[in-house]
Amino acid sequence: DGGITQSPKYLFRKEGQNVTLSCEQNLNHDAMYWYRQDPGQGLRLIYYSQIVNDFQKGDIAEGYSVSREKKESFPLTVTSAQKNPTAFYLCASSIEGTDTQYFGPGTRLTVL
Amino acid sequence: GIQVEQSPPDLILQEGANSTLRCNFSDSVNNLQWFHQNPWGQLINLFYIPSGTKQNGRLSATTVATERYSLLYISSSQTTDSGVYFCAVPAQGGSEKLVFGKGTKLTVNP
Repeated sequence: DGGITQSPKYLFRKEGQNVTLSCEQNLNHDAMYWYRQDPGQGLRLIYYSQIVNDFQKGDIAEGYSVSREKKESFPLTVTSAQKNPTAFYLCASSIEGTDTQYFGPGTRLTVL
Repeated sequence: GIQVEQSPPDLILQEGANSTLRCNFSDSVNNLQWFHQNPWGQLINLFYIPSGTKQNGRLSATTVATERYSLLYISSSQTTDSGVYFCAVPAQGGSEKLVFGKGTKLTVNP
């Protein structure tokens, strides 16, 4: 089955710790995205990548980092510099040249 | 940047009722998408609709690009329609980045 997987589904972190969220897709899509969603809010773009080994900051990149070493994978690291990391994180992908995005199931991060 | 506003923010219906959700955007766009987020957080594409009208079962969408709005119609609502409905438009012409509205939270009661 083709699709986007995110892991883990739930993640708990202590203050001051870095944590990495996984996003994998087998759709052969070129572009991948990370969004943050807070309660009652829409999605805000953190980072996106249109091609392997290249990525751009979105609207709220501070305190986050990404890598794109493989087409299928786009992990997101939430660093200790992110002041309010508790949120729902969604990964998406799209075919190059289109803006129709397909979403993974999300990771809910809670900082204790 | 482009602004996207959705109304109403919350909507409560009895099963079987019809509803209309609205999405206004502040600048010209060449695309608009509607998504449904289920209570477990999964987002599903409903429509890719830059202009005109599309229908898929009990759902239909209309975008009037010249007047900068789109409408999502849900007929004969079911409890499984509950969740949050988002519209999204490209950040700028030809961009693959999307700007999302804050959504309409729909609750359908049995």
